[in-house]
Amino acid sequence: EVQLVESGGGLVQPGGYLTLSCAVSGFSVSDSYMTWFRQAPGKGLEWVSIIYTGGSAFYADFVKGRFTISRDNSRNTVYLQMDSLRAEDTAVYHCARESYGSGSYYFDYWGQGTLVTVSS
Amino acid sequence: QSVLTQPPSVSAAPGQRVTISCSGSSSNIGNNYVSWYQHVPGTAPKLLIYDNDKRPSGIPDRFSASKSGTSATLGITGLQTDDEADYYCGTWDSSVSLGGVFGGGTKVTVL
Repeated sequence: EVQLVESGGGLVQPGGYLTLSCAVSGFSVSDSYMTWFRQAPGKGLEWVSIIYTGGSAFYADFVKGRFTISRDNSRNTVYLQMDSLRAEDTAVYHCARESYGSGSYYFDYWGQGTLVTVSS
Repeated sequence: QSVLTQPPSVSAAPGQRVTISCSGSSSNIGNNYVSWYQHVPGTAPKLLIYDNDKRPSGIPDRFSASKSGTSATLGITGLQTDDEADYYCGTWDSSVSLGGVFGGGTKVTVL
C-alpha cells in the first residue's frame, strides 16, 4: 500500500524556519518526481517545489531562495526546508508524487498534509 | 485568483448526479490534458481522473469526466455521503513551466 506521511509542521514566528518531512512507503522516492504543494486557509492548491529523479530541484517564485527541497533515499523521505518564513506561508503543506500517463503529468499519490502557521 | 475557474459549490441529494465545471483558456485546458482530485480536508487528496477522462484503478465509474475546448467537466452519479468533499481540476499552462495550474475548488455537499 502506498502511503505518504508528512510531519514537521507547527507554529513559527515570522523570519523563522521549519523543516517538513514526507515519509513514503510503497514506492521509491529516488525513482519518482516528488513535489510539495500547499493550501492556505480558504484557498486552493498551490504548487511549491519539485525534485526530479536526477536530483534537480525547482521552486515556485514565491518561495525561491527561501525553501529547499531534498530527499534521503535511504530513509525514502523527502524534505522541505523552509527559511525566512512569512505570514503568507501559513498553509497546510502536502507532498505528492508526479506521474506521467499517456497524455500528461498528474499527481497520483498525496499525503494528508502538515499545518504550518507563521505568526508572532 | 486561480487560473482555472470552478463554481464554489454544488449540492444534490443522495443518488442524484452533480457536475462540476472547470473553465480555462487556450494556454492551459485548450492544449493540455486535465486531471481531477477529490479532497476531504484533513485527509490526503485523491486522484480521480487523469488524461481528461481516465480513472485510476480503484476509482468507481460513478466518477467521469470530459473536456471540450477550453473547459472540462467532472460528473458524479449516484451521489453518496462519502462524496462530500472539495474537488479540484488541474492542468498545465504554457506560461507556467512547473507544477501546473489548478482551479479554486468546488465544495460538493450531499443534502
